Amino acid sequence: EAGVTQSPTHLIKTRGQQATLRCSPISGHTSVYWYQQALGLGLQFLLWYDEGEERNRGNFPPRFSGRQFPNYSSELNVNALELEDSALYLCASSLGSYSNQPQHFGDGTRLSIL
Amino acid sequence: GIQVEQSPPDLILQEGANSTLRCNFSDSVNNLQWFHQNPWGQLINLFYIPSGTKQNGRLSATTVATERYSLLYISSSQTTDSGVYFCAVEVAGGADGLTFGKGTHLIIQP
Repeated sequence: EAGVTQSPTHLIKTRGQQATLRCSPISGHTSVYWYQQALGLGLQFLLWYDEGEERNRGNFPPRFSGRQFPNYSSELNVNALELEDSALYLCASSLGSYSNQPQHFGDGTRLSIL
Repeated sequence: GIQVEQSPPDLILQEGANSTLRCNFSDSVNNLQWFHQNPWGQLINLFYIPSGTKQNGRLSATTVATERYSLLYISSSQTTDSGVYFCAVEVAGGADGLTFGKGTHLIIQP
């Protein structure tokens, strides 16, 4: 069974540009979570999608957005990139929002802002 | 929101030694996971353990939900065990995703 897959592995952008990160969940999983791991700030919850809907977001500005597609894959978009957006972005999937199931993580996308 | 504290923050051991990592959390949870993050950033699932005890090879974990703590035991450490160990919890409903502790940075020296 394939795990959670993320693309690209690395992404280099400059300030003001937009970045798109992609995530494919484990087959059968309907919930997708996005997390940011920035240097010195730890792992922070960013967004949660379930059944195609955004269910909740963490304490991040609106320029962080995304969507979930009918096949449950997801995109994270970051607009007007700032230097502080440089981080490892991790995607996780689980069986469902209220199923008390573990989250399984992908290998992440490392976003560097120059 | 829920608070998660891990101890110790750093741990340096010789190969073959045993260790205990602790995770304290401030509220009731319905999900608790232990992860190992390797030097390449990969977050590897170790245990899903909202309560009880589990073992997987040289690793075992215990969560005492009523007292709001969890312990991760590593026996006969190997250099490949080096990395950062995270405890993460989720409150009922999962609306805020997983809340992570700051991690324990483990270095195993040969």
